[in-house]
Amino acid sequence: GESVGLHLPTLSVQEGDNSIINCAYSNSASDYFIWYKQESGKGPQFIIDIRSNMDKRQGQRVTVLLNKTVKHLSLQIAATQPGDSAVYFCAENKNTGNQFYFGTGTSLTVIP
Amino acid sequence: DAGVIQSPRHEVTEMGQEVTLRCKPISGHNSLFWYRQTMMRGLELLIYFNNNVPIDDSGMPEDRFSAKMPNASFSTLKIQPSEPRDSAVYFCASSRTNTGELFFGEGSRLTVL
Repeated sequence: GESVGLHLPTLSVQEGDNSIINCAYSNSASDYFIWYKQESGKGPQFIIDIRSNMDKRQGQRVTVLLNKTVKHLSLQIAATQPGDSAVYFCAENKNTGNQFYFGTGTSLTVIP
Repeated sequence: DAGVIQSPRHEVTEMGQEVTLRCKPISGHNSLFWYRQTMMRGLELLIYFNNNVPIDDSGMPEDRFSAKMPNASFSTLKIQPSEPRDSAVYFCASSRTNTGELFFGEGSRLTVL
């Protein structure tokens, strides 16, 4: 079946470096994507979203890039900080309702 | 403002027992979602309500699972009888219908022995 998947299950970066977390999706009908951050013992929290009519969106220290041609989504975190250590999920909305389907997640570890 | 409130935060039970998880969504949110999270399967959507009506329950694993939303401020997820493979963290999330952003609760960690 269709799924949302992540390329890398774990990522370690040095504090201050930039981080890039990737996500592949397979449903070309998906029109809305959200990145979530989940800290240990907590529920996922919204980071940034992007709709399919855009290819880039920036927030505070974060940028999401969408490449519909290859069905690829990435989250870039600038100047990564220890507080950024968490599991990051991409989620897609398949334009059939308000349901979001999540990828398996990437664990980001920031080395001080 | 209070976020999504789930209870209990932790539950340990024995196989065969009934488990009831509870959720209070954010006031004014029209959509409510139940997700299950495990290491192997990640976050799985179990069921989704809109204006208290179940819209999509295709993710509910089997008949042992049921969910209700009797009013806009309360939902339950029930497992009867529970099995060890049901052990997971169960999240409730809510959203305004047309915005998409989900607000998650802290989760209910269920362990079935």
